[in-house]
Amino acid sequence: RKEVEQDPGPFNVPEGATVAFNCTYSNSASQSFFWYRQDCRKEPKLLMSVYSSGNEDGRFTAQLNRASQYISLLIRDSKLSDSATYLCVANAGGTSYGKLTFGQGTILTVHP
Amino acid sequence: GAVVSQHPSRVICKSGTSVKIECRSLDFQATTMFWYRQFPKQSLMLMATSNEGSKATYEQGVEKDKFLINHASLTLSTLTVTSAHPEDSSFYICSASRTGNEKLFFGSGTQLSVL
Repeated sequence: RKEVEQDPGPFNVPEGATVAFNCTYSNSASQSFFWYRQDCRKEPKLLMSVYSSGNEDGRFTAQLNRASQYISLLIRDSKLSDSATYLCVANAGGTSYGKLTFGQGTILTVHP
Repeated sequence: GAVVSQHPSRVICKSGTSVKIECRSLDFQATTMFWYRQFPKQSLMLMATSNEGSKATYEQGVEKDKFLINHASLTLSTLTVTSAHPEDSSFYICSASRTGNEKLFFGSGTQLSVL
């Protein structure tokens, strides 16, 4: 079983749509969680951290459920520029700060 | 903001040659740097953790004698792919962590193509 699992998609949505991505992680020691976006053959860029209380950054909302080891990302009012691969990421926990485990990514394409 | 510089951005080489990739933290000291590899349509896989002044820690299945990592200073880590083969063709990305801070800064990646 992969440590971080995501639905690979692809998701094809029209502009303005709302789209949700789900992710599960298996390492119960993980303490920090993130969503990154990656454009083709580019480095991943941090989109947002994910907190247990849920957090929002503009059109993006992230949720974390530690009990079920589940993470989600909601994108509202999708823009063409949101087209990318979205990576769910967990840290290794314990003393391995900064050591991240990436999900395989969910491909999003927003079309006009 | 903090910047991590990685180069070269693209390398094409013949099978059997060695390739060195550099990763520099430009405006902060990085005690720890990480090296990832990404095959097409797959996610980033951690190869090794590079610690300044000590030996790198390799992930299971990564050959330390093939992927040589040197972290000689707080701002520079290098990854050398020795005797490269076509199956080593991949996208290699480094990241650096500012000492005491978990936030990671990524280099722009190196696309290695071995003919």
